[in-house]
Amino acid sequence: GAVVSQHPSRVICKSGTSVKIECRSLDFQATTMFWYRQFPKKSLMLMATSNEGSKATYEQGVEKDKFLINHASLTLSTLTVTSAHPEDSSFYICSVRVLRGTPDTQYFGPGTRLTVL
Amino acid sequence: DQQVKQNSPSLSVQEGRISILNCDYTNSMFDYFLWYKKYPAEGPTFLISISSIKDKNEDGRFTVFLNKSAKHLSLHIVPSQPGDSAVYFCAASARSGGGADGLTFGKGTHLIIQP
Repeated sequence: GAVVSQHPSRVICKSGTSVKIECRSLDFQATTMFWYRQFPKKSLMLMATSNEGSKATYEQGVEKDKFLINHASLTLSTLTVTSAHPEDSSFYICSVRVLRGTPDTQYFGPGTRLTVL
Repeated sequence: DQQVKQNSPSLSVQEGRISILNCDYTNSMFDYFLWYKKYPAEGPTFLISISSIKDKNEDGRFTVFLNKSAKHLSLHIVPSQPGDSAVYFCAASARSGGGADGLTFGKGTHLIIQP
């Protein structure tokens, strides 16, 4: 598999501030990473596909100006929640898509718990 | 609409017995299916996957069965162990559609292994 880390693991911020979450692929160069969000007792929902060196692809209903994604290198993607509101409080998880022959599989980071006060 | 459905929110199984977790999907474009195990406040851990060209894949105690005509897959864990207690997510993707597709997840099934 692939080892994926996220930082921070937990963050509490005030409403209106911006929060940056980092996702690192520690042992695999990932051209594609994904960002998911999970609300309590709900499923993981894909937010966007992060592509190295190009713009992210956002799922329907996800505001690209609010959730800024930067995939500047093959090992790092960042998600910035801008002007955070309490309803943005959630568990954010990134994944790395590993292409080693077939089939391809996604490996997930440990997640970041965001609480907006 | 929910394209991947796990209709059992929870399942309780005695240690040593077989655990069977079910998953149904509606999108006929899905051609690759995965099962993940998740503990609270942690990211999902990959367990096993199956491509639509197969109907069974086995890895140790875990076996996934795929019935394409019924759009149904199941995860069998045998024998069940206490450490298997977790939430299990079924996920699907349409890889043959090209591009790097994200996964569509079901809502999960909380498996409880009783001693």
